Amino acid sequence: SQQGEEDPQALSIQEGENATMNCSYKTSINNLQWYRQNSGRGLVHLILIRSNEREKHSGRLRVTLDTSKKSSSLLITASRAADTASYFCATVRRGGNTDKLIFGTGTRLQVFP
Amino acid sequence: GAGVSQSPSNKVTEKGKDVELRCDPISGHTALYWYRQSLGQGLEFLIYFQGNSAPDKSGLPSDRFSAERTGGSVSTLTIQRTQQEDSAVYLCASSSPTGVDTQYFGPGTRLTVL
Repeated sequence: SQQGEEDPQALSIQEGENATMNCSYKTSINNLQWYRQNSGRGLVHLILIRSNEREKHSGRLRVTLDTSKKSSSLLITASRAADTASYFCATVRRGGNTDKLIFGTGTRLQVFP
Repeated sequence: GAGVSQSPSNKVTEKGKDVELRCDPISGHTALYWYRQSLGQGLEFLIYFQGNSAPDKSGLPSDRFSAERTGGSVSTLTIQRTQQEDSAVYLCASSSPTGVDTQYFGPGTRLTVL
C-alpha cells in the first residue's frame, strides 16, 4: 500500500497563482521529502523536512509538516509554466539494513501561461 | 560531477525476451536503488544495494527480476522472459554515505514490451 497519498491528483492553474499540494502518510517518520518529476522521467529532490520541523522554505517553495495529522503540504508561490510537472512526497521507511523511500502517487500540476 | 546515468533510455522488446538495464550511480555513493514506475503511477521500490551488505530484494515482483551491483558501482537490472505488464519506466537512484535520505535519480529507462 502507498505510504504517501497526495491530493489533488491533478491541479491546473494560471501562471502567477499559488499551487498547494497535500500529502498524507500512515506510519511514523523521521523526515518527509518532496520530489519533482518532469515528463515521467527522473525525479529531482526539492526539499526535506524533518519530523521536528513544522515549516521549511526554499525559494518559492514552502513545506509544512503536521505529524499529529500525519500530513504535509507543498506550496509553490507565484507559479510559472516551467513548474508544470508531477510532484511526489516520500517518506523514509527504515527496516533492517534498508532505508527505503516510499513514494505517494503524485500530484500532476499544470501551469498555463 | 556527473549525475546518475542509465542506459538505454528506451528499450522496446518482444514478450518473452530478456532485457538488461544499466545504472551508473554518482561516484562515491554507496547506496543504489531501483524503482519501477508504471504509467501515471507512483514509484514502486524494487531493490536496494548498500556497500557490501546483502541487497534488499524485497520489492522485486517475481523471480524473473534480478539485479547485480559489481564492484560497488555499476548496477544491472535483468528482467527475464519479459511480460507486457513489465512495461514501465525503470528508475535508478543513488545516495551518499552521509546523506542516505536524499536520493539522486537517473533519467530512467522506458521499457516497452510488445
